[in-house]
Amino acid sequence: NAGVTQTPKFRVLKTGQSMTLLCAQDMNHEYMYWYRQDPGMGLRLIHYSVGEGTTAKGEVPDGYNVSRLKKQNFLLGLESAAPSQTSVYFCASSTTTGELFFGEGSRLTVL
Amino acid sequence: SQQGEEDPQALSIQEGENATMNCSYKTSINNLQWYRQNSGRGLVHLILIRSNEREKHSGRLRVTLDTSKKSSSLLITASRAADTASYFCATVLNTGGFKTIFGAGTRLFVKA
Repeated sequence: NAGVTQTPKFRVLKTGQSMTLLCAQDMNHEYMYWYRQDPGMGLRLIHYSVGEGTTAKGEVPDGYNVSRLKKQNFLLGLESAAPSQTSVYFCASSTTTGELFFGEGSRLTVL
Repeated sequence: SQQGEEDPQALSIQEGENATMNCSYKTSINNLQWYRQNSGRGLVHLILIRSNEREKHSGRLRVTLDTSKKSSSLLITASRAADTASYFCATVLNTGGFKTIFGAGTRLFVKA
C-alpha cells in the first residue's frame, strides 16, 4: 500500500520556468491538500480539494494553480517560478475524520 | 498569520523525562490534531481530539483541549531518544470541509 506518492522528489528551476508537482493517493480519500514548509514557518496551506473536480484556496495560494481531474490525483502547478517559491512541498490526503496522510515531500529550488 | 502557535519552539530533555508542548489557536475548530515529523520526512498523524472532548490518551501520549482558552497540550511520558522530532498541532476549522491549518511546531530533542 503506497499511501501518498509525490513526484518529483527534487527539482531545480530557473526563475520564470514552469513545472507541475504530482500527488497520487491510493486510499480513496475525498480530501487532498498541498502545503509548503519553510524553515521556522511550519506548514502553510496552498490549495486543497474536497472532491474530484473541486479546488479551494488556502492560506498562500498566489503563484500556484491546482487541478483535481481524478479523485486519486492532485496536481500543483507553478506557471512562472520565483525564488520565493523555493520550499519543500507536501501533499496530503485525509479521511472523513480529518486525519491527514502525508507524502514524503518534494524539494524545489528556484534560482 | 497562522492559526496555531506552539510553545516552546524548542525543547531539550533527558531520556525518561516527560515532554510537554502547548498549542494555542485563534478561531473556532472542529477538531485538533497532533503530528510528528522526523527530519527530512513527511508528517505522521499522532492523535486527534474533537472539540467536545477534553482529554485523550494514546500509549505514551496524552492530549488535552481547552476550547474556552483555545489551547491544547501534548504530553509525551517517559521519553525516548527515538521521540526526537518536530511536533505540530493542526486545527480543522469549522468552515465546512476539512481545511486544516498547522502551527510552526516544537522541535523536541531527547538526549540518551
